[in-house]
Amino acid sequence: QVLLVQSGAEVKKPGASVKVSCEASGDNFTNYYTHWVRQAPGQGLEWMGIINPSGGSTSYAQNFKGRVSVTRDTSTNTVYMELSSLRSEDTAVYFCARAPPYDDYFYYWGPGTLVTVSS
Amino acid sequence: DIQMTQSPSSVSASAGDRVTITCRASQGIANWLGWYQQKPGKAPKLLIYAASSLQNGVPSRFSGSGSGTDFTLTINSLQPEDFATYYCQQANSFPLTFGGGTRVEI
Repeated sequence: QVLLVQSGAEVKKPGASVKVSCEASGDNFTNYYTHWVRQAPGQGLEWMGIINPSGGSTSYAQNFKGRVSVTRDTSTNTVYMELSSLRSEDTAVYFCARAPPYDDYFYYWGPGTLVTVSS
Repeated sequence: DIQMTQSPSSVSASAGDRVTITCRASQGIANWLGWYQQKPGKAPKLLIYAASSLQNGVPSRFSGSGSGTDFTLTINSLQPEDFATYYCQQANSFPLTFGGGTRVEI
């Protein structure tokens, strides 16, 4: 049973950065890629990026390039998503999700982390 | 980027009804299409992958079809627990993109 545990809610000021963690258990950490998907209040789902936990390679959506960084720590089975230069429009729930390397469907999801950007 | 267009944006239905949701891709994606169910305050849940394959543990009243650019999610004999928002997602190429969602409500 794969379980993803995310860090707690954050409140940040515009211009600040936030780092959200996603710890995986119940499977081989390097067997699945980890994606980040966000959802603004009352809105749909938006893909942000992916990391291959084995080699650490990443790919990001153009909308976030230059502002997002996804890293991993294989010793703790944890993936991190850092978003910088926050603005009010970044207020959203941030989900981590895992997919096998041979397709990009999100079989397992974390519970989400609410990030609120407010002055 | 591949745009995914879902319709309708919302549908009113009753328990026992059949509901059909459509998803159209802006370019061909073969069968690289998934469907998710999301309930308020919860993470989405994968229902269908590869356009028509039922994810483990998902009831057989859910089914998917289509290929290329046009896809359908059908829910037969709607159950009370099926009232939720449904999203399609293309897995053909980065950036991965989702449809705008369809809310199934009473």
